[in-house]
Amino acid sequence: QTVVTQESSFSVSPGGTVTLTCGLTSVSVSTSYYPSWYQQTPGQAPRTLIYNTNTRSSGVPARFSGSILGNKAALTITGAQADDESDYFCVLYMGSGIWVFGGGTKLTVL
Amino acid sequence: EVLLVESGGGLVQPGGSLRLSCAASGFTFSSHWMSWVRQAPGKGLEWVAYIKQDGSNKNYVDSVKGRFTISRDNAKTSLYLQMNSLRAEDTAMYYCARLDYPQYFQHWGQGTLVTVSS
Repeated sequence: QTVVTQESSFSVSPGGTVTLTCGLTSVSVSTSYYPSWYQQTPGQAPRTLIYNTNTRSSGVPARFSGSILGNKAALTITGAQADDESDYFCVLYMGSGIWVFGGGTKLTVL
Repeated sequence: EVLLVESGGGLVQPGGSLRLSCAASGFTFSSHWMSWVRQAPGKGLEWVAYIKQDGSNKNYVDSVKGRFTISRDNAKTSLYLQMNSLRAEDTAMYYCARLDYPQYFQHWGQGTLVTVSS
């Protein structure tokens, strides 16, 4: 069973920079998994932030960026704002029409 | 504007069935892969199923294989999820999502809540 790992929680100060990661338990994450990232606030549908590792979805501020860092996919928020306080989910495409989401990271801005 | 509107959720007893629908508008429905993603209360997102443009290919998360069936009607621009033999662990908000290349969920509906309980 494929497990996609994310930090359960993270904290950042307003104006600070934070990097959330998305990994696999047994292999390295590469661009071949087409990592994508989603933001979700309580009671709302997810919002697409980043796809294809590092492409920002339409309307997403430039302070959100995606990359591969070491053996994981990463979402970096540079200059965090109060309304960035949300849950963040990554998903990896495993091929053959199968996607696996990470467990999500709860980001606190304080 | 892309719109995905889910319906059909509700309270159902264990072992029961439910059919979810997703009405799509604002884009060429027949050109896109579509998917269902669910979220149990207080938990993370879980991909459930996907279907190709013409319905020729489908796949499911292991936990719903043999119980759930995804389908689409391109003439009605609608996506469906037939859920049989429902279990308590199927309780979740079910989101309809449009898949774009390369393999990501670009647009999401607001979800429909399914509760499996006696």
